Order: sequence, then structure tokens, then C-alpha cells
Amino acid sequence: GAVVSQHPSWVICKSGTSVKIECRSLDFQATTMFWYRQFPKQSLMLMATSNEGSKATYEQGVEKDKFLINHASLTLSTLTVTSAHPEDSSFYICSAPNQGVTDTQYFGPGTRLTVL
Amino acid sequence: GENVEQHPSTLSVQEGDSAVIKCTYSDSASNYFPWYKQELGKRPQLIIDIRSNVGEKKDQRIAVTLNKTAKHFSLHITETQPEDSAVYFCAATLRNSGNTPLVFGKGTRLSVIA
Repeated sequence: GAVVSQHPSWVICKSGTSVKIECRSLDFQATTMFWYRQFPKQSLMLMATSNEGSKATYEQGVEKDKFLINHASLTLSTLTVTSAHPEDSSFYICSAPNQGVTDTQYFGPGTRLTVL
Repeated sequence: GENVEQHPSTLSVQEGDSAVIKCTYSDSASNYFPWYKQELGKRPQLIIDIRSNVGEKKDQRIAVTLNKTAKHFSLHITETQPEDSAVYFCAATLRNSGNTPLVFGKGTRLSVIA
């Protein structure tokens, strides 16, 4: 099956700093990628849709100036959490549909962010 | 927009018994319904999916049924094993060009007791 990677797998940072998370589709091209956030014992909540060549689309309640998304190429999307605070601590997961094959969405392994 | 309800939130079964998880969706335009299994700290793994042009799909011990009229779909796991213990999420979306995100249910924590 298609492979999506994320980096880093975990990160600990101080409050007020910025953290960049990368999502890559390794063996297929993805014009669209999705970023989800998952708090402990909760479901995956969509944060934004990352579009190659255009601005990301953010879900209601997600601050676009705080969660910067850049879809740099057909295989890479980055999420930057700016001025991170403890309440941003969560599990961030990206996904990408393999549109050329089955449209099935493939998830990255996730990034656990802990803000101290 | 789409809203997906999932029940129950927790489910405990004896090894060898069957487990059933049910979901309802609100948007009649949704046409793709995947089920994911997520183990602690790991990514969701697709275990089975169904499209709106079929009513049932089976893959070994796992089956999914879809009732478009009632807008609900269910996951059935037979002959459960301890390794089936995980959190299961249903999801729904309108699958056209692949640019629509999944809307997830709140998840069901399944415990299979040996």
C-alpha cells in the first residue's frame, strides 16, 4: 500500500517556541493532504486541508495564523505550530488520499507534541 | 456538514464472541464509509471500507453493512481475539476527487477478554 511518513515522531518544546511537522507521501503524489489533531482518548479532528499550489483550508475554530500550513510540493506538506502553548500538546496526524489508485486515505504515523 | 455518531464508546467481549459497532451519518450525499483500527500511540489503520453502491462487504472475520435509507453502517467482528483489542473509528465522506476529508465518529474502545 501507499506510504505516508511524518517527521518528527515526537517533539518536546518550551512554551512560546515554534515547531514544524513534515508529512510526506513516499510513493505517490498528493495534491491534497489533511491534518488532524487527536487529544488523549478522543477522536481525530480535522484541522485543515492542505492544497498543493494554493492556500490551506482551515476548519472552524482553527487559527490559521497559529497553525501554518505549506504544501511545498506534490509529496510534502508541513504544519508549523507557532508560539506553542501547553494546550497545543496533542497527537498530530496527517493523511493523504492516493488519488491515482483507490482514493483510500493513508495516514502518517503521527507526531506527539508536548509543550512544556 | 457531515456528522457521524458512533456507539458504543466502550465494548468488552469474551474471546471468541462477536463484536458489533454501529455508526450513523447525517449527510445523505456521503458515499464512502471506512473503518479504522487504532492501537495506542499509533496511526489509524484501515481495516475495511464500503461504498454506497453495496450493502455489505466481508473480509475474513470482519464485515461491514450499510443501510443508505437509514443512514447507518455497522462493523461486525466475529471470533474475536485479544489482538483485536484497540480503538475503532468509523468515518464517512463524499468520495469524488479524493479532496474531501473524512469525518470520524468518536471511537469505540474494544476490549477482548481472554
